Amino acid sequence: AQKVTQAQTEISVVEKEDVTLDCVYETRDTTYYLFWYKQPPSGELVFLIRRNSFDEQNEISGRYSWNFQKSTSSFNFTITASQVVDSAVYFCALTEAAGNKLTFGGGTRVLVKP
Amino acid sequence: ETGVTQSPTHLIKTRGQQVTLRCSSQSGHNTVSWYQQALGQGPQFIFQYYREEENGRGNFPPRFSGLQFPNYSSELNVNALELDDSALYLCASSHGITNTGELFFGEGSRLTVL
Repeated sequence: AQKVTQAQTEISVVEKEDVTLDCVYETRDTTYYLFWYKQPPSGELVFLIRRNSFDEQNEISGRYSWNFQKSTSSFNFTITASQVVDSAVYFCALTEAAGNKLTFGGGTRVLVKP
Repeated sequence: ETGVTQSPTHLIKTRGQQVTLRCSSQSGHNTVSWYQQALGQGPQFIFQYYREEENGRGNFPPRFSGLQFPNYSSELNVNALELDDSALYLCASSHGITNTGELFFGEGSRLTVL
């Protein structure tokens, strides 16, 4: 069975600080995909990034970056120079090779104060 | 906005009643997935519909059922409501089931069972 764990329930930072969100996953599949989604107060989940299990290259996209380490089953996500609009709940998610049936973690609430 | 619309946005039911939630998928998407998100938790996969057929189901009892129509819109039906069914129900659309890409979520239907 697949499992995603986000140990941090809430993080509070001051604007312009960096925020790193931890995610640890479990799966028996050799091919899988990892995601980060953002959920603002309006409720809809907004796609941020996706990474497949064969690509451990870490990248930066604007103020977002991620660190995928297969050896430790971790997929951490960093927001650089946080802004008040980044305040939301962030979810890490995992799915098998195909089908988009996501297993979500419990979420981390990020509060960015001005 | 994702182009995925859900109705109603909020509703209150009593134990034992039945509820129908509706979802219109984004234009061009033929796959709809439903998720249940209890307060303070991550979304849980209920089931997925592809071209009007159920294509996978999570750990939910048979009183949770669904439909997908020829225009790819979808309904989620829950019979014999229980207090624990109180949650935000999220619909997500995507295209196809052989790839793994971005899911587009609606803002959800918040169900309260009294």
